[in-house]
Parts: sequence; structure tokens; C-alpha cells
Amino acid sequence: EVQLVESGGGLVQPGGSLRLSCAASGFTFSSYDMHWVRQATGKGLEWVSAIGTAGDTYYPGSVKGRFTISRENAKNSLYLQMNSLRAGDTAVYYCARGYGEDLGAFDIWGQGTMVTVSS
Amino acid sequence: QSVLTQPPSVSAAPGQKVTISCSGSSSNIGNNYVSWYQQLPGTAPKLLIYDNNKRPSGIPDRFSGSKSGTSATLGITGLQTGDEADYYCGTWDSSLSAFYVFGTGTKVTVL
Repeated sequence: EVQLVESGGGLVQPGGSLRLSCAASGFTFSSYDMHWVRQATGKGLEWVSAIGTAGDTYYPGSVKGRFTISRENAKNSLYLQMNSLRAGDTAVYYCARGYGEDLGAFDIWGQGTMVTVSS
Repeated sequence: QSVLTQPPSVSAAPGQKVTISCSGSSSNIGNNYVSWYQQLPGTAPKLLIYDNNKRPSGIPDRFSGSKSGTSATLGITGLQTGDEADYYCGTWDSSLSAFYVFGTGTKVTVL
């Protein structure tokens, strides 16, 4: 079964750090671009980062310089290192697989992991 | 703040049809493929449409997608109570602030 499972969420103080993990199974992980998407409670989806098969990385301005996406193909794992966390980073974080002609669709999603930034 | 605009809500009776618009610009929809997602309460999003109008395996043909210029549309026919959910469009964006953007989201209510 094709599956993504996130872990690592929790409560962290403002200014703190957290590392999220996403374990992939059921497909050739190294052959796919991977993404992180977040959703604050009651709000819409927000793209957070992407990593290509060659290790190229992309971020929106809201997290650039604070978040780092990485992958370890030997372990079929995706990571998101989050530093200098702010209250506005509080959300459910999903990992997702890139798909489609321009890899701009996300066909497999994890169940999400909750990150709460609060003192 | 999303650069893709969707209506906050749409509604219709069971069996009827609804359409959801997604309005963008030449930096996103105008030059990229659009995908659509369904998010049932308390669950992760699910891919409904990719590459503007293609359906992944297992998605019924009641769901359809189209694109024209800088706008895209999701159509749902034969509306069912199980279709009550939030729907989002998404696409790449060539602006400096973000590489990928989602729509503002639309709540579909089955009356």
C-alpha cells in the first residue's frame, strides 16, 4: 500500500525548533518530488516546501531561512527542520507526493502531524 | 494570503450540479496545470483532478475539471451527501513569494 506517515509534531515555545519526519512506503521514494503542506485550524492549505529528486529545494517567503526540507532516500524518509518557530506556524503539517505532468499535483498525503507554537 | 480566489461556499440539493471557480493570473493558472483537492472534515486532502482535467484512479466521473485562461473550474454532478467537504485548487506560481499556491477554499453544502 502506498503510504506516507508523518511524525514529530508537538508543543514548542516561540523561537524554538522542531523536526518533522515523513516515512514513505509502497513506492520508489527516490523517484518522486516531495512536499510539505500545512493547515492552521479552520484555515486553508498553505504550501510550505518542496524537494526534488536531485535534492533541489524550494520555499515560500513565509518560511524561507527558517525551515529546511531534506530527504534520505535510503530510509525512504522526508524531513522538515523548523527553526525560529512563531505562533503563526501553528498548524497541521502534511507531507505529500508530487504527481502529474508538471509534478504540481499531490496524489498521496499523510495523515498529518500537529505543531503548536505557544508559551 | 492566497493568490487563487475561490467562492467561500456553494450549495445545491442532492442530485444537482455545482461548479467551483478558481481565479488566478498569468503567473500561476495561466501558465501551469491546475489540480483540485477534496478535504472531508478531520481528514487529509484528497486529489480529485490533476493536469487541469484528469481524474486519478478511483475518482468517479461525477467530478470534472477545466481551465480557460487564468481561471479553472471544478464541476460536481449528481451531488451526494458524501460530497459535503472543502475543496481547494492548486498550481505552481512564478512569483517571488511562493512557488506553489492553493486556492482560498470552497465549502460545498448539500442541502
